[in-house]
Amino acid sequence: GALVYQYPRRTICKSGTSMRMECQAVGFQATSVAWYRQSPQKTFELIALSTVNSAIKYEQNFTQEKFPISHPNLSFSSMTVLNAYLEDRGLYLCGARQGFTQYFGPGTRLLVL
Amino acid sequence: TQTVSQSDAHVTVFEGDSVELRCNYSYGGSIYLSWYIQHHGRGLQFLLKYYSGNPVVQGVNGFEAEFSKSDSSFHLRKASVHWSDSAVYFCAVSLNSGGSNYKLTFGKGTLLTVTP
Repeated sequence: GALVYQYPRRTICKSGTSMRMECQAVGFQATSVAWYRQSPQKTFELIALSTVNSAIKYEQNFTQEKFPISHPNLSFSSMTVLNAYLEDRGLYLCGARQGFTQYFGPGTRLLVL
Repeated sequence: TQTVSQSDAHVTVFEGDSVELRCNYSYGGSIYLSWYIQHHGRGLQFLLKYYSGNPVVQGVNGFEAEFSKSDSSFHLRKASVHWSDSAVYFCAVSLNSGGSNYKLTFGKGTLLTVTP
């Protein structure tokens, strides 16, 4: 079956520091990877959509300078949150697309102190 | 811009009861509709999707959903719920425009509580 792993599951960082999170698709080749953030209020925001060998498309209010993404192959993607502040806290979900379905990992929960 | 509305923020049922979680969308084009489940503190688990064909689609763990173009709805149903079905359920819509345009728009979620 299609599985998506994310690492770490939970992380705490000091305000102004950075942290990197990883996403691995297992059992399938993801045609694209989308990074979402779920707020503490449970709403979702798309950060960026990444397709291998294509430019990464960032949504409004999210930039490459703040959330650089690496997507070197069809099964792996990583994203860094640079200079994290309180408003960056939340659950970061990686969605790997197979066909018409997007499978999500368990998320990386970011707490900022 | 597509929107997704889940009218019930919280639904409570007894174990063994049937349940229907409502989802309405607004978009006139070709779209995909999906349902996801999120247990407390966890990520999103895919339940089922609809694009075309039979408007009733079957998903995992006995869930099914029915697409209605006239009502712009994609309600999720289960005939007999189990306590482990307690979770937040999200309805999602994405455009069928191919290429890299595959943004999911989520509803606000419905918290399903199944009591013994």
